[in-house]
Amino acid sequence: AQSVAQPEDQVNVAEGNPLTVKCTYSVSGNPYLFWYVQYPNRGLQFLLKYITGDNLVKGSYGFEAEFNKSQTSFHLKKPSALVSDSALYFCAVRDSNYQLIWGAGTKLIIKP
Amino acid sequence: DAMVIQNPRYQVTQFGKPVTLSCSQTLNHNVMYWYQQKSSQAPKLLFHYYDKDFNNEADTPDNFQSRRPNTSFCFLDIRSPGLGDAAMYLCATSRGPLNYGYTFGSGTRLTVV
Repeated sequence: AQSVAQPEDQVNVAEGNPLTVKCTYSVSGNPYLFWYVQYPNRGLQFLLKYITGDNLVKGSYGFEAEFNKSQTSFHLKKPSALVSDSALYFCAVRDSNYQLIWGAGTKLIIKP
Repeated sequence: DAMVIQNPRYQVTQFGKPVTLSCSQTLNHNVMYWYQQKSSQAPKLLFHYYDKDFNNEADTPDNFQSRRPNTSFCFLDIRSPGLGDAAMYLCATSRGPLNYGYTFGSGTRLTVV
């Protein structure tokens, strides 16, 4: 079955420290992977995507994600967290019907 | 700027009273989606249009309908809202069926009283 897992409901990071939000996937064929961020009472904003090419993808607001085929992972990272990065983060993968399968979301809290 | 606009941002409706949410886009994207999202959960796809072709998800209640009169606009109609329909409703677009990613509107927060 095609699926996306975000194993952490919440991640707490001190401001200035590196952050990682984890995502693993299961999909047939080549994966098309996405990260979105959602601020309170807002829609989802696109951060980055992996379609093909370099395994390290750079996105908006200083975020990047590393595609690891052997581990079927696409973890979101940022070298130095900001308080303003506090939000809800969703990982998604495109399924065989070209629809997005969403992870459950990870709440990221950056403490000053 | 090209974007996806949802109106209103907040909507309060009475139990059982029909309500319509609207979405417009200036991106000229072929595909428009409606999602329901409850309390920080993952968004749940209700249906989507590929041009004029309507695609309903199997588990979308009949209470939810949609219209797409032209490329730019798409509407979500809830015929008889129940308390369980209170949620954030998200409209999204994508350029084509291969779906290289969505552009979302800001959402409409629906409250049912």
